[in-house]
Amino acid sequence: EVQLVESGGGLVEPGRSLRLSCAASGFTFDDYAMHWVRQVPGKGLEWVAGISWNSGTRGFADSVKGRFTISRDNARNSLYLHMTSLKVEDTALYYCVKDRFLATTGCSESWGQGTLVTVSS
Amino acid sequence: EIVLTQSPGTLSLSPGERATLSCRASESVTSSTLAWYQQKPGQAPRLLIFGASSRATGIPDKFSGSGSGTDFTLTISRLEPEDFAVYYCQQYGNSKIFGQGTKLEIK
Repeated sequence: EVQLVESGGGLVEPGRSLRLSCAASGFTFDDYAMHWVRQVPGKGLEWVAGISWNSGTRGFADSVKGRFTISRDNARNSLYLHMTSLKVEDTALYYCVKDRFLATTGCSESWGQGTLVTVSS
Repeated sequence: EIVLTQSPGTLSLSPGERATLSCRASESVTSSTLAWYQQKPGQAPRLLIFGASSRATGIPDKFSGSGSGTDFTLTISRLEPEDFAVYYCQQYGNSKIFGQGTKLEIK
């Protein structure tokens, strides 16, 4: 069974940084691209970033480009999102998501339960 | 950038009825890159349909997807209490865009 467990969320002041982690199990991690998708509580879904199986391709939403980076450690079956220059509008539940494919072009096949990031002074 | 518009915003139906949810794209979308997700309160989204009409693993055949070009539909036959949720369409591929969602509520 695919399991994706996010951690690292919390309350942070605007302008500060935060790193989210996702521990993956139940599948061959380095066979799949991975993503982060966020959701403001009570609102819709927004894709944030994606990374291919070998980290060769990385993509970001315009809203986070230049501020967020995505990385993975296939030896540790882990996905990361490093967020800098955080803004109030980055407040959301951040989901770790498994792609259907090696590349980042598939749909979101499996989701974690999310970790909440609150940006506030 | 493609915009996906879902309608209606809220759909009120009774158990046993058939639900038809619409997703309209601002420009033509490759059918192979259209997905539907279900999200229940307090839960993560769940993939229902990919490639516009292929059911994901474990999804019952009461869920069906159709459409092409700019108009796509998710149909849920014989609604059961556990089907009342929010449904999102998504265009994936090189970009990943979600619709704003349709809330399916019990009438």
